[in-house]
Amino acid sequence: SYELTQPPSVSVSPGQTARITCSGDALPKQDAYWYQQKPGQAPVLVMYKDSERPSGIPERFSGSSSGTTVTLTISGVQAEDEADYFCQSADSSGTLSVFGSGTKVTV
Amino acid sequence: QVQLVQSGAEVKKPGSSVKVSCKASGGTFNTYGVSWVRQAPGQGLEWMGRIIPNFGITKYAEKFQDRVTMSADTSTTTAFMQLNSLRYEDTAVYYCGGGNWQQFGLDVWGQGTTVTVSS
Repeated sequence: SYELTQPPSVSVSPGQTARITCSGDALPKQDAYWYQQKPGQAPVLVMYKDSERPSGIPERFSGSSSGTTVTLTISGVQAEDEADYFCQSADSSGTLSVFGSGTKVTV
Repeated sequence: QVQLVQSGAEVKKPGSSVKVSCKASGGTFNTYGVSWVRQAPGQGLEWMGRIIPNFGITKYAEKFQDRVTMSADTSTTTAFMQLNSLRYEDTAVYYCGGGNWQQFGLDVWGQGTTVTVSS
């Protein structure tokens, strides 16, 4: 079955830049989505279609894509950005979806 | 903006079934695709499948293909997920999520329903 690979953890100091990668063979042809999840809460969409930011999401969140890897970048990280981040995309057929294993961002 | 409200927590015995509901309000339910995602304690998100209520189309992850049924009642703007033959490892928080039916992204989520499988 199709898998998306994320690093388990990223540690960053306040004000620095955090980059979270997500790799998968079908990413060149399928859109990627990113979610932020804080303890005890439902996930929140922070990026869609690789690099589109939903309304209400701070500008310090950005997304990019290159080949089989998509990247969520948090510029000027703040303490409130400490959370788990999950990528989501579809398999090569575009009919089934999958989440990455998640990355814990520690500030 | 659509809001999703899920049914309450459930405790089930191994081998039984559970049916979780997800009611949409405040928007156009019929343009949505509703995905079901679960999260076991301390684990990541797991996509179980999706239904497009307006067309009645369902797609299930291979892992759940033979145990899950997703349905929807457009008259009450409610989606349902039934999981059969429950096992201890099905203990998790089950979320419904909604988004444009033409893509998999979920821009709105329910509050989650805790399902505990215990003898």
